[in-house]
Amino acid sequence: EAQVTQNPRYLITVTGKKLTVTCSQNMNHEYMSWYRQDPGLGLRQIYYSMNVEVTDKGDVPEGYKVSRKEKRNFPLILESPSPNQTSLYFCASSGQGNTEAFFGQGTRLTVV
Amino acid sequence: LAKTTQPISMDSYEGQEVNITCSHNNIATNDYITWYQQFPSQGPRFIIQGYKTKVTNEVASLFIPADRKSSTLSLPRVSLSDTAVYYCLVGDRLHYGGSQGNLIFGKGTKLSVKP
Repeated sequence: EAQVTQNPRYLITVTGKKLTVTCSQNMNHEYMSWYRQDPGLGLRQIYYSMNVEVTDKGDVPEGYKVSRKEKRNFPLILESPSPNQTSLYFCASSGQGNTEAFFGQGTRLTVV
Repeated sequence: LAKTTQPISMDSYEGQEVNITCSHNNIATNDYITWYQQFPSQGPRFIIQGYKTKVTNEVASLFIPADRKSSTLSLPRVSLSDTAVYYCLVGDRLHYGGSQGNLIFGKGTKLSVKP
């Protein structure tokens, strides 16, 4: 089954404690990206990747890092999380010339 | 990148047809129009995509006038389960089906379907 898998689904952490949210897709897609969703603000793009070792900033990249060492994986790294990064995060992937993007189930992060 | 404008919210009743219009005055020649649906706490899901005139699938229809400066998503006979946020996106399909840099979501239209 074609899917995008994020882990964990829920995470509560403390300010400053580094964390990684994993994202994996099994569709051999070139393109992957991360979004955060906050009430009243819609979906905002954090980072995206057009292929292995190719990443670029989206609209709200501050406080986040990403890496794309393998085509299937695109982890989101928060080196020093802060409470304003409390949000619902989505990973997405799509293939070259494909019509649609596929989204993961979401990761609800709370930073206290 | 063409900016889109949609109503913030819409209300409807079960069994009615719902039309959500999106404005994209600066749409470029190579741009396609795509709609996504999102349920609470779930990732967006692709609904339909079109370039001009009309596109229909098992879920919805998409109407695009000749000047392509707007588009209308039509949901026939909605049910309570159609309550969701609907996003209109405009982008170059060659790159944006791909280039996530062009996959920009706005705030969408929150559709509430009542019994």
